[in-house]
Amino acid sequence: QSVLTQPPSASGTPGQRVTISCSGGSSNIGHNPLSWYQQLPGRAPKLLIYADNQRPSGVPDRLSGSKSGTSASLAISGLQSEDEADYYCATYDDSLNGWVFGGGTKLTVL
Amino acid sequence: EVQLVESGGGVVQRGGSLRLSCQASGFTFINYEFSWVRRAPGKGLEWVSHISSLGSDIKIADSVRGRFTISRDNTQDSLYLQMSSLRVEDTAVYYCARGWSPDAFDIWGQGTVVTVSS
Repeated sequence: QSVLTQPPSASGTPGQRVTISCSGGSSNIGHNPLSWYQQLPGRAPKLLIYADNQRPSGVPDRLSGSKSGTSASLAISGLQSEDEADYYCATYDDSLNGWVFGGGTKLTVL
Repeated sequence: EVQLVESGGGVVQRGGSLRLSCQASGFTFINYEFSWVRRAPGKGLEWVSHISSLGSDIKIADSVRGRFTISRDNTQDSLYLQMSSLRVEDTAVYYCARGWSPDAFDIWGQGTVVTVSS
């Protein structure tokens, strides 16, 4: 059972907009910046969003992050087949004195 | 090119030990904090341990506390994870990841596979 809760799956058709949610508590999302990662099959995770809503260079602006209270979401617009991957949220947890990841969401492009 | 390359994975019997290494290149190693993160088969990412830039601050997940030790050698641009008393549930791909302020991981290695057999 992960400290951060994500839906196990999400799906959309090419061109659609999909959102992936991430829910936590006051000791993690509610108090620390959140990041999002994409992991393609057999590949290393890749940073998509940091500090709740900031994109590293090279990440397209059709990806965006938001946070309110103890919940956050990742939005992907203009869905493409290459977006099919596992997505994880993560942040630092003050109570656990360490980082926590969501359980991951498998995104399928139909 | 900014890069992290892990090594040292393999097959080990339950109760055994293994030492993972992570070689950094393309950036000033001593300026950064690092973590080890793992992904077990069929499961999600799990943070394992963290070390500050000079090695003075170390954090470790409860699941591996007392069995795993993180360390670094800033003269060799290398990060290590000493794993002992290994359990079947430690079977995973282990990644080293560079800390990116605030609280994110911006560069990841390709991973090294650890298999603990019963």
